[in-house]
Amino acid sequence: GAGVSQTPSNKVTEKGKYVELRCDPISGHTALYWYRQSLGQGPEFLIYFQGTGAADDSGLPNDRFFAVRPEGSVSTLKIQRTERGDSAVYLCASSLKGGEETQYFGPGTRLLVL
Amino acid sequence: DQQVKQNSPSLSVQEGRISILNCDYTNSMFDYFLWYKKYPAEGPTFLISISSIKDKNEDGRFTVFLNKSAKHLSLHIVPSQPGDSAVYFCAASGAGGTSYGKLTFGQGTILTVHP
Repeated sequence: GAGVSQTPSNKVTEKGKYVELRCDPISGHTALYWYRQSLGQGPEFLIYFQGTGAADDSGLPNDRFFAVRPEGSVSTLKIQRTERGDSAVYLCASSLKGGEETQYFGPGTRLLVL
Repeated sequence: DQQVKQNSPSLSVQEGRISILNCDYTNSMFDYFLWYKKYPAEGPTFLISISSIKDKNEDGRFTVFLNKSAKHLSLHIVPSQPGDSAVYFCAASGAGGTSYGKLTFGQGTILTVHP
């Protein structure tokens, strides 16, 4: 079946603008995760959804970052008043039930804030 | 505070030989470990995992070893192939509470397999 998809694949924006990044998980997966990867580093956890609710949002860096998953499938990561330091690859992953199991990653969205 | 560390930024191996990638962790609450491979401009691809109740898991050319007392795991690739050239990340989960399900990654090791 289809894997995790993310759109757009690349996003260039100006400092101060608002951006939305979309993730479409594997069909039937109830758990969805967002990570951020900076150059030369491993992915860093942002937020974890179980169904429609955010089970753990402890990785969101500040209140400019927000994510939703209103119907328990597609998720949108929203970044307000973008800063140059937000430039990174934003990765989405999904897993069947959540917890200690394999997470399957999408290709990522490369965000560049000028 | 880097809870998962991959101390070798890069590794170069001849085709056909063994590749050994290492990973150390500090949080004793971690009890599930995974290895991912990543090619440029792609997302991480799952390779192999191991639960803390085991000390070895094997899948084809890939074997992961876990030493809980040393808080150390390693990935062995035998025989190595040029197509294995990629960045390898180890990840851990299971630190309890709200961290359940969240993966903590190492910094990655760039593996280059020469023909």
